[in-house]
Amino acid sequence: EVQLVESGGGLIQPGGSLRLSCAASGFTVSSDYMSWVRQAPGKGLEWVSLIYRSGDTYYADSVKGRFTISRDKSKNTLFLQMNSLRAEDTAVYYCTKNGDTWRANDYWGQGTLVTVSS
Amino acid sequence: DIQMTQSPSSLSASVGDRVTITCRASQSISRYLNWYQQKPGKAPKSLIFAASSLQSGVPSRFSGSGSGTDFTLTISSLQPEDYATYYCQQSYNTPITFGPGTKVDVK
Repeated sequence: EVQLVESGGGLIQPGGSLRLSCAASGFTVSSDYMSWVRQAPGKGLEWVSLIYRSGDTYYADSVKGRFTISRDKSKNTLFLQMNSLRAEDTAVYYCTKNGDTWRANDYWGQGTLVTVSS
Repeated sequence: DIQMTQSPSSLSASVGDRVTITCRASQSISRYLNWYQQKPGKAPKSLIFAASSLQSGVPSRFSGSGSGTDFTLTISSLQPEDYATYYCQQSYNTPITFGPGTKVDVK
């Protein structure tokens, strides 16, 4: 059974850094396409980043140069390193496992809340 | 970037009603269109991928159709557990983009 469990969220001051983790089970993170999607309070869904099986990575313009997606095969965990955080990065961050062919976000974690505020 | 629009933004319906939600892409996305359901305080759930393929475990009252730029999500007979917000998403290219959502509430 596929399970995704995010952690690492919390309250952080503007300009600060935070690293989110997503512990996966039921599959291998390095063998699958995975993404981060966020949702600001009361708002819709926003794609943040993805990593292909090949290791290629892509980012939304709003986070490019500040966020880095990565994975650790030995821990079977996906990460999102977030630097230079802004108030507009405040959101629930979801880790997802995507299908290979059509790239839908097939499985979602429960989410972790990041609040950027002084 | 590919822009996704949904209509209506909200609708009120009764149990047993047939519900249709429309999603439009700003350019052709073939069948790279996915639908998600989200209930308050919960993570989204994948319903349909590739425009019309039902995810495992999703009830058959949900169906999707379309290709190119125009897509539809249909709930054939609304059930109490279907009151939620529905999002479409294009996965044709990056940046991947979501529609703004359609909230289905009680009439």
